[in-house]
Amino acid sequence: GESVGLHLPTLSVQEGDNSIINCAYSNSASDYFIWYKQESGKGPQFIIDIRSNMDKRQGQRVTVLLNKTVKHLSLQIAATQPGDSAVYFCAENGDTGNQFYFGTGTSLTVIP
Amino acid sequence: GAVVSQHPSWVICKSGTSVKIECRSLDFQATTMFWYRQFPKQSLMLMATSNEGSKATYEQGVEKDKFLINHASLTLSTLTVTSAHPEDSSFYICSARYSGRHSGANVLTFGAGSRLTVL
Repeated sequence: GESVGLHLPTLSVQEGDNSIINCAYSNSASDYFIWYKQESGKGPQFIIDIRSNMDKRQGQRVTVLLNKTVKHLSLQIAATQPGDSAVYFCAENGDTGNQFYFGTGTSLTVIP
Repeated sequence: GAVVSQHPSWVICKSGTSVKIECRSLDFQATTMFWYRQFPKQSLMLMATSNEGSKATYEQGVEKDKFLINHASLTLSTLTVTSAHPEDSSFYICSARYSGRHSGANVLTFGAGSRLTVL
């Protein structure tokens, strides 16, 4: 499988602050990336995706940035809320583009 | 739309028995489904790609005879853990590719997962 890693395994932020979660991927052939949120005991939920022909994509309160030069992804969450507390994974589609490989995950804790 | 259902959500079995986990796409057809395994506080590890009407494609290091995958229809894939042992205890999550609203690409939609505990 591919190797997708994260710089920060845990992150604590104050409610209302912005959060930034980082991810490094290893396969330069990956051309599609997704951020997932996983709450305890549940399956991952889609947050936002980005193709390699873009370097930024915005959603509702979330922004994904892609730097292909250094093979780095980040997820920015604006005005973080307690409900944002979860583990966040980035995933890349690898060589064939048909499978998705996940990074190690970052546990985000929002402090009220 | 794009709901993936897994059953059972939690199963406890004795060592040596086999356990089947079902993954269904409820409102869309999925020619390809994926099975992941997740240990506590770890990431999701891709086990295999389940292809409707053909053999599954296993990732390196995953025992094909241990983890039997069947994808008999466009809405159902099953994972059977054969002769389960305590080290097989894990969270098994399936997903299906859904061509939907997200940037026109095929996004993976995940089931809620099935927790297997082998005594």
